Amino acid sequence: EDQVTQSPEALRLQEGESSSLNCSYTVSGLRGLFWYRQDPGKGPEFLFTLYSAGEEKEKERLKATLTKKESFLHITAPKPEDSATYLCAVQPNSGGYQKVTFGIGTKLQVIP
Amino acid sequence: NAGVTQTPKFQVLKTGQSMTLQCAQDMNHEYMSWYRQDPGMGLRLIHYSVGAGITDQGEVPNGYNVSRSTTEDFPLRLLSAAPSQTSVYFCASSYSRTGGSGYTFGSGTRLTVV
Repeated sequence: EDQVTQSPEALRLQEGESSSLNCSYTVSGLRGLFWYRQDPGKGPEFLFTLYSAGEEKEKERLKATLTKKESFLHITAPKPEDSATYLCAVQPNSGGYQKVTFGIGTKLQVIP
Repeated sequence: NAGVTQTPKFQVLKTGQSMTLQCAQDMNHEYMSWYRQDPGMGLRLIHYSVGAGITDQGEVPNGYNVSRSTTEDFPLRLLSAAPSQTSVYFCASSYSRTGGSGYTFGSGTRLTVV
């Protein structure tokens, strides 16, 4: 069974204080690892897809990296508007479109 | 371009009542899904569809029905509501079968069953 574990569950940062969120996964062959951002009362918003170990993707202050067992979402010099819950999900390379397992998420709060 | 539209945003049901959660997308996506999100749990797949006329069960299908008569619409029906179905429901769609471009989610329906 595919599993996704995200840590920490919650993270409080001062504005400008860089940090990383962790996503550990077990999957029988990885097709893709996804990062989403979810604001309170909203649906998740797609950020990145990573396919293979060593791959990196960047968007503004966010950079996602991937190894064979985990992914990191690095947040550089965060701003209060980066406050949200960040979700990680994995899709195995066997099975179809629907075979995506989501983690519980890391709730990030950036304080001015 | 509205993306994925869900209605209603909030709903309170009595145990045993039935209702339909609506989901519509205007991106011509073939792939659509319904998820529920509960505290302390990841998003869990209820039902999904890979095209008009084709649906299948996900991880937690009991108590829910779906149909897909058009590419745009994918309604979720609760047959006889139970308190265990109190949750936030999200509809999602995708262009790619492999999900490489990610899912586009609606803004959710918060359902309370009393």
